[in-house]
Amino acid sequence: QSVLTQSPSVSGAPGQSVTISCTGSSSNMGAGFDVHWYQQFPGTAPKLLIYGNHHRPSGVPDRFSGSKAGTSASLAISGLQAEDEADYYCQSYDISLRASVFGGGTKLTVL
Amino acid sequence: EVQVEESGGGVVQSGGSLRLSCAASGFTIASSHMTWVRQAPGKGLEWVSIVYTGGKTYYADSVKGRFTISADNSKSPLYLQMNSLRVEDTAVYYCARGRPGDYYDAFDIWGRGTMVTVSS
Repeated sequence: QSVLTQSPSVSGAPGQSVTISCTGSSSNMGAGFDVHWYQQFPGTAPKLLIYGNHHRPSGVPDRFSGSKAGTSASLAISGLQAEDEADYYCQSYDISLRASVFGGGTKLTVL
Repeated sequence: EVQVEESGGGVVQSGGSLRLSCAASGFTIASSHMTWVRQAPGKGLEWVSIVYTGGKTYYADSVKGRFTISADNSKSPLYLQMNSLRVEDTAVYYCARGRPGDYYDAFDIWGRGTMVTVSS
């Protein structure tokens, strides 16, 4: 059971928007720790997609956006494209565990 | 180009040991916060360990007392010494860099990973 909870799957048609949620607790996001998001294609390494709740690394399209409020965070993807089909993971720091923690991952299917 | 590359994975029997290495190019490991993350077959990401530039190290409870992370000097790779390996340690192990500056607990450079298989 992951410390951060994500829905196992989400889907959307090309051009549509989807939101992937990540729920934590008072010992991680609720304690003020930032959330980061990663994109992972099968058989490849994760790629940093969003850091510090809403910042995009250079090269990440602005179709990807992040937000955080209290003990929850969201990754929004607008204008879905076939190449967005991947697994998405949230990550934060947990003060009780003294460890970085990941969500269980959400598989995005583009219909 | 800034990148990292892991090596040292393989097949080992339960109870055995393995040492993973992570070589960096384009930056200095000793000047960066460096972490290991693993992914069991078909499963999600699991944070394993981190070493900060000041030398402090932290471990996931699942590996504490069995794994040791190190980055000895400016020219050496990052290492993960894994002892008393268990079947449940079977995974792809990724080395990653903590983002320089702010938000250093976000991992911005990842290697391709090295597979560790622990047999019973």
